[in-house]
Amino acid sequence: GAVVSQHPSRVICKSGTSVKIECRSLDFQATTMFWYRQFPKQSLMLMATSNEGSKATYEQGVEKDKFLINHASLTLSTLTVTSAHPEDSSFYICSARAETGEGEKLFFGSGTQLSVL
Amino acid sequence: GENVEQHPSTLSVQEGDSAVIKCTYSDSASNYFPWYKQELGKGPQLIIDIRSNVGEKKDQRIAVTLNKTAKHFSLHITETQPEDSAVYFCAASRNTGKLIFGQGTTLQVKP
Repeated sequence: GAVVSQHPSRVICKSGTSVKIECRSLDFQATTMFWYRQFPKQSLMLMATSNEGSKATYEQGVEKDKFLINHASLTLSTLTVTSAHPEDSSFYICSARAETGEGEKLFFGSGTQLSVL
Repeated sequence: GENVEQHPSTLSVQEGDSAVIKCTYSDSASNYFPWYKQELGKGPQLIIDIRSNVGEKKDQRIAVTLNKTAKHFSLHITETQPEDSAVYFCAASRNTGKLIFGQGTTLQVKP
């Protein structure tokens, strides 16, 4: 399958600082990427849809000023958690849509564990 | 809104037995149904998927069935092995757009 690279895998930061997470499609171009959030022992919740060259579409209840998304190229989307607080601690995962021999499929990055102290 | 219900939440089987996980979706316009395996601390890995124009798909020990009328789809794992132990998620979407995930099933395969 297509490879989605996410970095960093783990980050610990102080409350009030901002953290940037990168999501790259390594062997394909992704006009659309998705950002999810996952709490321990829970399912994945979609936060926003990232569209190359345009504004992201946020799900209801997700603060767009807190979770800044930039999709400046066809292979890179970034999620910045601004002024992070302990309640933002979570596992953040990106996904990208790739064309395969069996049609379009959605592949996920390896995730970023964010811990805010 | 769109919803996907997944059962059971936990499943324990003996090595070599079969495991079945079931999902029900609410959005009748959904036409793409992937299954993901997630190991602890890692991102979900696509293991199999099915589109609404197909009723069944098989890949070695894994198979997925879809009943569009009932809006049900299921994952079947045969000859389970300890390395199959993980959390499995079903999902539904329209045209590989945003995925709506089920709640997940923790599968434990006992040696």
